[in-house]
Amino acid sequence: KNQVEQSPQSLIILEGKNCTLQCNYTVSPFSNLRWYKQDTGRGPVSLTIMTFSENTKSNGRYTATLDADTKQSSLHITASQLSDSASYICVVRDSSGTYKYIFGTGTRLKVLA
Amino acid sequence: ETGVTQTPRHLVMGMTNKKSLKCEQHLGHNAMYWYKQSAKKPLELMFVYSLEERVENNSVPSRFSPECPNSSHLFLHLHTLQPEDSALYLCASSQDLGHSYEQYFGPGTRLTVT
Repeated sequence: KNQVEQSPQSLIILEGKNCTLQCNYTVSPFSNLRWYKQDTGRGPVSLTIMTFSENTKSNGRYTATLDADTKQSSLHITASQLSDSASYICVVRDSSGTYKYIFGTGTRLKVLA
Repeated sequence: ETGVTQTPRHLVMGMTNKKSLKCEQHLGHNAMYWYKQSAKKPLELMFVYSLEERVENNSVPSRFSPECPNSSHLFLHLHTLQPEDSALYLCASSQDLGHSYEQYFGPGTRLTVT
């Protein structure tokens, strides 16, 4: 069964600190993996997208990694800011020709001053 | 904002009511999607439209009825809903259905069924 699991479920850090969010997936065949940021009361906004051949991609203070062999991805946030408080969702698209985006349940990050 | 708008932003309805959710995208995209987001659950894909044609219906109950009159507008008609249908309903669009195309989400409609 295609699944995406994220950890931790929630995380609290102090402003200025770094953190890493994890995503493990069992989706096959694999097409791409995306990380989204979802602010409370808003729709998700894309941070990064990675295909099978990519193992690192950065977007400002956000850096995503992908290990297609172990089917793991991480999202590293550097020098966190209060505005980073949000849910971060990992999404995997399979390449079977369907329109299946398999979503994780997200990690809720709270950055404190 | 991402160029995808949704109205209303909040909706409270009784189980016997009929209401509609509206989505409009200003990005010139060809594909549009409806998702349901319940608390502590992953987003669930409900419907997919490409060039106004429905291409995916993910075993959604018939009390949810989508309509896509043109490639910029998408509606979700609701009738005789159940309390468990209370959720955030998100609309998204993408340039096309291909795997590499980015999905852009609207802000969602927070639906409460009483």
